[in-house]
Amino acid sequence: QYVLTQPPSVSGTPGQRVTISCSGSSSNIGNNAVTWYQQLPGAAPKLLMYSENQRASGVPDRFSGSKSGTSASLAINGLQSEDEADYYCAAWDDSLGAPYVFGTGTKVTVL
Amino acid sequence: QVQLQESDPGLVKPSQTLSLTCSVSGASVISGTYYWTWIRQPAGKGLEWIGRIYTSGSTNYNPSLKSRVTISADTSKNQFSLKLRSVAAADTAVYYCAREDSSGYYYHGLDVWGRGTTVTVSS
Repeated sequence: QYVLTQPPSVSGTPGQRVTISCSGSSSNIGNNAVTWYQQLPGAAPKLLMYSENQRASGVPDRFSGSKSGTSASLAINGLQSEDEADYYCAAWDDSLGAPYVFGTGTKVTVL
Repeated sequence: QVQLQESDPGLVKPSQTLSLTCSVSGASVISGTYYWTWIRQPAGKGLEWIGRIYTSGSTNYNPSLKSRVTISADTSKNQFSLKLRSVAAADTAVYYCAREDSSGYYYHGLDVWGRGTTVTVSS
């Protein structure tokens, strides 16, 4: 079901930089825009980044995104306690009847 | 400000049809360059895209669910709906409705989400 692979978890102390990888293929990340969503505990997902590196409205500039080939990354600079959440990458996939596919999700823990 | 609110069907029996509606305020389901989308999330698991309907009425579905899903819009109520037929325990999840913004140079993704509604399939 999941065609975008993320690490299950990453952690860091306040102020550190953490990165989340999202690995896909030429039919999804390699050919389509990548979006990132943040899901705080018990809440609905929220748009965080779109088109790889564009921050959604109200998102702090400590969040940044990038893409290279068939992989994408989300970086959080200056990690804060309120960043503790699940993060999902997503992209359209051209090979599976064109569904919108989400990554496996990464739990960010602030130590 | 655009807001989305899912209905609350609660418990659905196996083999029956799950019906959900999403009420939209602050935008129209028949205007603009938006898709109106359904996503679900089983407890403790990741997100799964179910399908979407465009302002023109055209639809796209996840191939894995296509044979059981219908998404439609009720313009008089400014709502869009999901019907999932022949449900089983594996369809138990939190169901979200969301808006997909396809306008402009950038692809904006799912920019507005409802709070979600929990659907349990059980006899």
